[in-house]
Amino acid sequence: AQSVSQHNHHVILSEAASLELGCNYSYGGTVNLFWYVQYPGQHLQLLLKYFSGDPLVKGIKGFEAEFIKSKFSFNLRKPSVQWSDTAEYFCAVNAGTGTASKLTFGTGTRLQVTL
Amino acid sequence: EAEVAQSPRYKITEKSQAVAFWCDPISGHATLYWYRQILGQGPELLVQFQDESVVDDSQLPKDRFSAERLKGVDSTLKIQPAELGDSAMYLCASSSGLDWETQYFGPGTRLLVL
Repeated sequence: AQSVSQHNHHVILSEAASLELGCNYSYGGTVNLFWYVQYPGQHLQLLLKYFSGDPLVKGIKGFEAEFIKSKFSFNLRKPSVQWSDTAEYFCAVNAGTGTASKLTFGTGTRLQVTL
Repeated sequence: EAEVAQSPRYKITEKSQAVAFWCDPISGHATLYWYRQILGQGPELLVQFQDESVVDDSQLPKDRFSAERLKGVDSTLKIQPAELGDSAMYLCASSSGLDWETQYFGPGTRLLVL
């Protein structure tokens, strides 16, 4: 069965600092990879996704993530965080084929950006 | 922008009572998912529908949980009887046939069982 690990549970950064959140997955086959964000009081929103092609994907709000197949990783990055980036970030993996594939989430990383 | 609708947003109930949650997916989305998110954890899939058919309910505690999507549009998730451990956020998501891998989430129903 597939699994997702997010090693950073709580990250505190000052505004303008650079961000990297780790995500590792375990699955031997082809995967689709996602980062979702949940701002305080709001629902889960898709930040970016990787299906195939260029392993460096760019998402909304200046976020990007790099798929490194050899490391089973899909780390999220942002060069300069803003206070408004305070949120919980979830990495997710969708393995399998067709509509029966299953989305598995990590436990999430809570990012707190201070002024 | 189309969104997934859920109601109620909050529900407080006593253990052994029955509760029901409703979800209306984005129009045209054939696949509907129910997730449970316990505080401090990521969402876990409870059940997946393709139109009105259940595709995956392997993680649904079938002794107390039931889900239906009778006309292949909106869906109801029921818990009877509720237990203290059911306190969680219940999320609904949907995806379309054109981009079935990408799921769009509703605001969720936060359940507190006393």
